[in-house]
Amino acid sequence: NAGVTQTPKFQVLKTGQSMTLQCAQDMNHEYMSWYRQDPGMGLRLIHYSVGAGITDQGEVPNGYNVSRSTTEDFPLRLLSAAPSQTSVYFCASSLGQGLLDEQFFGPGTRLTVL
Amino acid sequence: DQQVKQNSPSLSVQEGRISILNCDYTNSMFDYFLWYKKYPAEGPTFLISISSIKDKNEDGRFTVFLNKSAKHLSLHIVPSQPGDSAVYFCAAGVMDTGRRALTFGSGTRLQVQP
Repeated sequence: NAGVTQTPKFQVLKTGQSMTLQCAQDMNHEYMSWYRQDPGMGLRLIHYSVGAGITDQGEVPNGYNVSRSTTEDFPLRLLSAAPSQTSVYFCASSLGQGLLDEQFFGPGTRLTVL
Repeated sequence: DQQVKQNSPSLSVQEGRISILNCDYTNSMFDYFLWYKKYPAEGPTFLISISSIKDKNEDGRFTVFLNKSAKHLSLHIVPSQPGDSAVYFCAAGVMDTGRRALTFGSGTRLQVQP
């Protein structure tokens, strides 16, 4: 059981480039979410999904897209990277019905946008 | 506007003593609270939670206390161990929103001295 995996671990982008952060879980969890963590701040919710084919916006969704074609995968797309998107990104999943249940987090992707 | 505040960025305690981590919230709608622990270069891991219908929840060495009138919760770790050294985040949400929103505090770094 690998849990929640994220790739890549590190990424450097130039302003305007696009990329996809990958997230996968092998626990058959319905609920998945993406957070960003900035220095001195808590985690902020970007997007979440309650199951395959269903996604919704969180607190800071601008500049990011998501899709959920399978239960296992929940990729996060940066359409046109900006320096303000420099952050550490965490993907999480939960067995229960939402964010208030125990979430299992991946190890994170550290993204730098120049 | 930070709805969940952890006013102490860091805390240092001796091994075997009690660690008390504090968290204040401003949104009176919050009725469910969680604590997560995070080691460097890893994702957060769930520690303990409490519903607003309770004022205390205990799990081994970890106890969370909730004071609704003061909008304050605290995490007690007794006895503290060096392996408890990590960043601790409190988080709060509203059950009636379908568990689709969660607000994190900025974290407190706990260092347990051997």
